[in-house]
Amino acid sequence: NAGVMQNPRHLVRRRGQEARLRCSPMKGHSHVYWYRQLPEEGLKFMVYLQKENIIDESGMPKERFSAEFPKEGPSILRIQQVVRGDSAAYFCASSPRVSNTEAFFGQGTRLTVV
Amino acid sequence: DAKTTQPNSMESNEEEPVHLPCNHSTISGTDYIHWYRQLPSQGPEYVIHGLTSNVNNRMASLAIAEDRKSSTLILHRATLRDAAVYYCILGGGATNKLIFGTGTLLAVQP
Repeated sequence: NAGVMQNPRHLVRRRGQEARLRCSPMKGHSHVYWYRQLPEEGLKFMVYLQKENIIDESGMPKERFSAEFPKEGPSILRIQQVVRGDSAAYFCASSPRVSNTEAFFGQGTRLTVV
Repeated sequence: DAKTTQPNSMESNEEEPVHLPCNHSTISGTDYIHWYRQLPSQGPEYVIHGLTSNVNNRMASLAIAEDRKSSTLILHRATLRDAAVYYCILGGGATNKLIFGTGTLLAVQP
């Protein structure tokens, strides 16, 4: 059973471009979470999705950021018109059910905006 | 979200036990206590979690105070590979989202 797969591992974008980060949860997991870790800072919750639904997006910036988890395929975190402050490591986690269970994290996508 | 307090850093010697403390005086009756760790340049890794009783798994033990206002993660024999930032997190709750604090940076000396 493969773990949570994130790609790409490293992504470089110029200011103003779009960044698309992909996350394939573990097999059988229908709950996906995205977290962001800015340089020298802790992890911050961004969004929680179940298949085709956004359940909690309280940590998402109001503009330029969006997330989806379609019925088929990976979850996507999209950042439009990237700025230098978006440079960070973005981690995806999945879990098999919603309450008080172990979350499995991917290795992250390190976004650098130049 | 209930808050946890951990020391910023701790040091240990290889093959010795390590006790990582966590205070959570505002914990609610339904909050679970979760521990995750993050090795350098990697994603967080689950370590252990519990509600009231002490818990053991292959990685560690979790000792929970009787009043649940504090807990201790115990690594029985530290190895160099245990050097990481250890996060004590409350809740999970209805959405299982994790609110990370600053954690404890554990250094393990050979």
